[in-house]
Amino acid sequence: EVQLVESGGGLIQPGGSLRLSCAVSGFTVRSNYMGWVRQAPGKGLEWVSIIYSAGSTYSADSIKGRFTISRDNSRNTLFLQMNSLKAEDTAVYFCARDSTGGHYFDSWGQGTLVTVSS
Amino acid sequence: SYELTQPPSVSVSPGQTASISCSGDKLGDKFACWYQQKPGQSPVLVIYHDSKRPSGIPERFSGSNSGNTATLTISGTQAMDEADYYCQAWDTSTYVFGTGTKVTVL
Repeated sequence: EVQLVESGGGLIQPGGSLRLSCAVSGFTVRSNYMGWVRQAPGKGLEWVSIIYSAGSTYSADSIKGRFTISRDNSRNTLFLQMNSLKAEDTAVYFCARDSTGGHYFDSWGQGTLVTVSS
Repeated sequence: SYELTQPPSVSVSPGQTASISCSGDKLGDKFACWYQQKPGQSPVLVIYHDSKRPSGIPERFSGSNSGNTATLTISGTQAMDEADYYCQAWDTSTYVFGTGTKVTVL
């Protein structure tokens, strides 16, 4: 069974750092495109970042230079390192799988809430 | 940057057909997909590659994409279809989501 479980969210002050994790089972992160998508309270979905199976990464302009996506193949886990956090980064962060490289997400985690506030 | 625009809301009576549009520059030249999201839940893929349905998605969900507009159609809409719907496309290494449409089944 395919499962994606995010963790690491919480309350953090502006300017702080946080690392989100997404532990997966039922497939391997290294063989799939894996991404992060966020949703601010009451708002729509916003793509954050993607890591391709070959290892190349791409990110939305809104977080470029502040967030870094990575994976640990031995732990079968996806990460999102978030630095210089701003109030507007407050959102539920979902990890998601693009299993075919078809540029759509066919499996999603339950999400983890990040709140940036003093 | 590429943008996808959806109507904020669509209302439909039970058993009728709901159509949700998604507009973007030359969207028909790209593949579009659609997600359903119910309150407090994660998104679920309901259409990919313009018109394909993932396993387990009811046949009443269908999609098309041509010109500048992709369309999600829900035939014989049921109360359980009340949700937010998002289109999504890919453009130069960027996954782009639409603005979202709330479907209300009255």
